[in-house]
Amino acid sequence: KNEVEQSPQNLTAQEGEFITINCSYSVGISALHWLQQHPGGGIVSLFMLSSGKKKHGRLIATINIQEKHSSLHITASHPRDSAVYICAVRSSGKLIFGTGTRLQVFP
Amino acid sequence: DTAVSQTPKYLVTQMGNDKSIKCEQNLGHDTMYWYKQDSKKFLKIMFSYNNKELIINETVPNRFSPKSPDKAHLNLHINSLELGDSAVYFCASSHSTGDYEQYFGPGTRLTVT
Repeated sequence: KNEVEQSPQNLTAQEGEFITINCSYSVGISALHWLQQHPGGGIVSLFMLSSGKKKHGRLIATINIQEKHSSLHITASHPRDSAVYICAVRSSGKLIFGTGTRLQVFP
Repeated sequence: DTAVSQTPKYLVTQMGNDKSIKCEQNLGHDTMYWYKQDSKKFLKIMFSYNNKELIINETVPNRFSPKSPDKAHLNLHINSLELGDSAVYFCASSHSTGDYEQYFGPGTRLTVT
């Protein structure tokens, strides 16, 4: 069992839908990262958080340290949001990655 | 202006060869990383350097040797390449070793035939 689990593995949505991607982890962490990997392969950092909630545009990330769980929400999804979303936790000074959630948003 | 750059973007080579991948960051960061993304798209840390000093070596075969000539550069040299080394290798950097956002390079797709 991976130390970082994401669900769902694959997600399809219609443009405009509200999307939630979940991440659970089993290790002690100092921070949690959400990353986006575009179809072309590039990786972009979306959020880094250690408590509470962060918002950037249509993206919202939350974390519950007690429950060892984080969620990434996308409001009013758009085809350009199609990508792989990766949760990573920082534990013992290094990032441990989830297996990613592949999101496809159709017009 | 590219923040973290890697060369080459693609590398195709035969088993047994030795190859290098170069990484440079112009963000003034102290810490750099190498990650490997396997065929199932799973990312895993390989090495981390802080101010030219190795701080993480994640049980990588010693055929892989990172070198940091200065804190803006972290190169990865691979000896005696094996089929299983085929992957995408990402370089990244962060301000320092604490909880900081990481900035990733575009990746180098290595194919060993």
